[in-house]
Amino acid sequence: AQTVTQSQPEMSVQEAETVTLSCTYDTSESDYYLFWYKQPPSRQMILVIRQEAYKQQNATENRFSVNFQKAAKSFSLKISDSQLGDAAMYFCAYRSAGVGADGLTFGKGTHLIIQP
Amino acid sequence: DAEITQSPRHKITETGRQVTLACHQTWNHNNMFWYRQDLGHGLRLIHYSYGVQDTNKGEVSDGYSVSRSNTEDLPLTLESAASSQTSVYFCASSPRTGQGRVEAFFGQGTRLTVV
Repeated sequence: AQTVTQSQPEMSVQEAETVTLSCTYDTSESDYYLFWYKQPPSRQMILVIRQEAYKQQNATENRFSVNFQKAAKSFSLKISDSQLGDAAMYFCAYRSAGVGADGLTFGKGTHLIIQP
Repeated sequence: DAEITQSPRHKITETGRQVTLACHQTWNHNNMFWYRQDLGHGLRLIHYSYGVQDTNKGEVSDGYSVSRSNTEDLPLTLESAASSQTSVYFCASSPRTGQGRVEAFFGQGTRLTVV
């Protein structure tokens, strides 16, 4: 079974600064997907970014980018120019690309605090 | 717009009662999932379904059941509620592998308190 580890229960960053959230995973599969979800106080789970394992290029979405290191099984999220609205829980998640294995495995989350 | 909705948003129930949480999606996704979220544990998979009449147990399925009679709905039943089932429950849906987008879409969550 796959496991996802987020080693930082909480991170704090000054507004407008850059912060990186860490995620590592364990799998024996070669084809899979990785995601970062954001959960603000509203409780809604919001997709931030996704990465296909077969793609070497790191995904980017505006101020959000990932550093995907397949050999190291590492998938960190970088948030540039942090804004107050970025304050939330962030979850890293894994999904197999195999047929019949479509559920997500989540890490325990990182609570991101933005200091004004 | 397509969406996934859960009801109720909040519920308080007594120990031993049967409780059903509703989940309805209009994405026409084959896959549907139920997760529970607890502090320090992230989201853990309870049950999932890959299509009508298909249901499967997840990591923490004891005390829960689901049924899938149509594409749109996957209700979650707590057969005899226990205090350990106090949690926030999320329903999610996603396309089947190979059918385009791979991410899961989540409902708003249901906060269940068992007293």
